Amino acid sequence: ELKVEQNPLFLSMQEGKNYTIYCNYSTTSDRLYWYRQDPGKSLESLFVLLSNGAVKQEGRLMASLDTKARLSTLHITAAVHDLSATYFCAVTGGSQGNLIFGKGTKLSVKP
Amino acid sequence: NAGVTQTPKFRVLKTGQSMTLLCAQDMNHEYMYWYRQDPGMGLRLIHYSVGEGTTAKGEVPDGYNVSRLKKQNFLLGLESAAPSQTSVYFCASSYWSPGTSYEQYFGPGTRLTVT
Repeated sequence: ELKVEQNPLFLSMQEGKNYTIYCNYSTTSDRLYWYRQDPGKSLESLFVLLSNGAVKQEGRLMASLDTKARLSTLHITAAVHDLSATYFCAVTGGSQGNLIFGKGTKLSVKP
Repeated sequence: NAGVTQTPKFRVLKTGQSMTLLCAQDMNHEYMYWYRQDPGMGLRLIHYSVGEGTTAKGEVPDGYNVSRLKKQNFLLGLESAAPSQTSVYFCASSYWSPGTSYEQYFGPGTRLTVT
């Protein structure tokens, strides 16, 4: 059974600091996704990682994938308040593109 | 393009009542999914469909039924609502072709409360 674990589940940061969110998954998967969710809103796609060693960056966020270690990281550089949200990683759990989600990391960036 | 839309946005049901949630997409996607989101649980797949007229069970299908009579619509039914079905329901759709990402596009969600 494919499981996805994120840590930490809660993260309180100060503006300007750097931090990393980790996403581990239990069995082989060929795609990994990062989503952002603001309170009361839907999920917004941030990154899709398709291969070992893939690295993608958008603004202050950078995601990477190590398929051998079954690990993805979401690195936050010089955090700002606007990054406060819940971040989910997900991997494909079947041939029909079903997603298995982690429980999410609730990020709070304080001045 | 409206993307993925869901109807209704909010609903309160009494235990034992039934209802249907409607998901519609205008992106001509083959694949559609229903998830539920509970606090601290992430999203969990209820049912999904890989094309018109096909449906399959996901991780938490009990108490729900689905239908995909038209490619653009995916209906989620609760026959006899229970308080445990209080949740936020998200619909998503995606396309597939060799080498693509299966990226899923999510609707705005339906907040359901069962009393």
